This record gives sequence, structure tokens and C-alpha cells, in this order.
Amino acid sequence: DGGITQSPKYLFRKEGQNVTLSCEQNLNHDAMYWYRQDPGQGLRLIYYSQIVNDFQKGDIAEGYSVSREKKESFPLTVTSAQKNPTAFYLCASSISGPGATDTQYFGPGTRLTVL
Amino acid sequence: GQQLNQSPQSMFIQEGEDVSMNCTSSSIFNTWLWYKQDPGEGPVLLIALYKAGELTSNGRLTAQFGITRKDSFLNISASIPSDVGIYFCAGRRRSGGGADGLTFGKGTHLIIQP
Repeated sequence: DGGITQSPKYLFRKEGQNVTLSCEQNLNHDAMYWYRQDPGQGLRLIYYSQIVNDFQKGDIAEGYSVSREKKESFPLTVTSAQKNPTAFYLCASSISGPGATDTQYFGPGTRLTVL
Repeated sequence: GQQLNQSPQSMFIQEGEDVSMNCTSSSIFNTWLWYKQDPGEGPVLLIALYKAGELTSNGRLTAQFGITRKDSFLNISASIPSDVGIYFCAGRRRSGGGADGLTFGKGTHLIIQP
């Protein structure tokens, strides 16, 4: 089946530890995104990538890092510098380039809890 | 970053009633999207709007791209229990072809009483 997968569904980490969230897509989409969602809030953009080996900061990039070594993968690392990392993290992808629409498709999310 | 003003924040309605929610912004958007999110899941796209004035339906759902490009509304007719969830509007200021993320409203929480 085509789609976006995120793993794990739930993640627990101790304060001060880095943690990496996985996002994989087999939709052949060029663009991928990471959002953070807090209770009662909309989604806020962390990082996005339009093509392999290129990525840009979103609105709340501090304390996060990403890589885009492969088209289908866009892992997010939550570093110890992120002051309030407990949240629901959502990955998305979309077609990019001339004639592309802006429709983004989301994965099922990873809920990170820092103890 | 820019936030969209989405209202109402929550709705308590009876099954069978129609539902209406909207998003407004002080800035112009070139694309409006409406998503539904179930608890603990990722948002699922309901309707995408790409042209000012566009009115698009998807089953019992109807959404419109405001003529000023600064607003959009979503209507749900004859609500059913599975309509329960959080509805988000999202907008993009740039035209299609680039990727720079979406701006989201804070969501409308729809609760349906049987």
C-alpha cells in the first residue's frame, strides 16, 4: 500500500537524551515536512525538505535537526536543546515542482513523552 | 508564524444537524485545505481549494474559497456520529510548485450527541 509511515507510535525518553523519529513514504513525493502538535493547538512547522539533500527551517526549528539522504526518508531528531519536547509529531509529504498542488498527506504521528 | 483564526473552537450538536465552521486571515492565501483528525491519528484531507470563489463538495461536505482569498468555510450536512473529530483549516500563501509548509488554524472540535 502507498502511504506515509511513522515509527514508533509512542516513544518515551529521559530528559537530556536525543531521540530520532522515523518518517518513510512510498508515494514518490519530493517534498516532506515535520509538524508538531500540542493539545488544543494547530500544527506548527518544524522543518521541511523540497528535494534530497536539502531542507529548510520552519517556524519552530530550534532544538530539532533533520536529514534527507533519501527521497523516501526524512528522520527528525529531537535534541536535548529542545526545552519542551513532549508533543505529538506529524510527518507529511507532497508533490513538488511545476504544476504541483499544495496538498499534503500526513502520517499517523508519533507521540513523544519526555520523562 | 502566521496563524489562521478558526471558529468556533468547539461545537456540540445533535445528530442530523448541519454544521458550519470557518477560517479567516489578515493575509491572502492561494490555497485552502480542510483536514479532519481523529484522536491519536494524523490529519486526513477532506477538501482542497485552489481558486478564489471555488465551491467544492465531497459527499456531505462542502467548502468554499473566499473571494477575498482571506477566508474559507466548511459545511457538513446531516451530521452522523462518525463526523466527530477535530477539523482543521490550512492555508498556503505561495502558488503551487514550491514546498514551504502550511499554516494551520487551531481546529474546531465537533461533538455529536445522539
